[in-house]
Amino acid sequence: DTGVSQDPRHKITKRGQNVTFRCDPISEHNRLYWYRQTLGQGPEFLTYFQNEAQLEKSRLLSDRFSAERPKGSFSTLEIQRTEQGDSAMYLCASSSMGGQRDEQYFGPGTRLTVT
Amino acid sequence: QKEVEQNSGPLSVPEGAIASLNCTYSDRGSQSFFWYRQYSGKSPELIMFIYSNGDKEDGRFTAQLNKASQYVSLLIRDSQPSDSATYLCAVKQNFGNEKLTFGTGTRLTIIP
Repeated sequence: DTGVSQDPRHKITKRGQNVTFRCDPISEHNRLYWYRQTLGQGPEFLTYFQNEAQLEKSRLLSDRFSAERPKGSFSTLEIQRTEQGDSAMYLCASSSMGGQRDEQYFGPGTRLTVT
Repeated sequence: QKEVEQNSGPLSVPEGAIASLNCTYSDRGSQSFFWYRQYSGKSPELIMFIYSNGDKEDGRFTAQLNKASQYVSLLIRDSQPSDSATYLCAVKQNFGNEKLTFGTGTRLTIIP
């Protein structure tokens, strides 16, 4: 059973550049979540998909952020015009069924540094 | 009031002792509770989940849930140096809300 994978693992970019991250969930999981974690904090929810449908977006997800899951498999998270405040670990998680009795498993994360 | 609260620590426990980690939550409608372990620079790893009041044991780990007190805890028996990590409590709130809400984590250090 292959776990959640994310690419790249590290990204350094200059302020104002666009970046895109990819997440591949566990193969049989139809739910995919994006979280962001800054130093000393717990992960914060950004958005989630059930299959290809984006069902919820946090108000943390400004207009510069967009996420897609076009075929209900992998997902991408794009940040446009990056700012230094976007520096964080971006975490992807997946789960199989949603609902209350459902566990989310995280990938290794993409660490973004904006200089 | 934060939605999920944890003592940030650090919590230092001698090797072989029991480590006790605590978490309180504000939404009385919360239904599902999770403990994640996070090593420095790594992503969270799910180690326990509990959905019903009472205790749930898995190896050296025991999760305890008291919905009336809005309290969930994690006990680690026979603590090992490899247990040194940050432990994150996460709560899935009321029905229809799929996101996890995390506490800030408790940093645990096991002293050899």
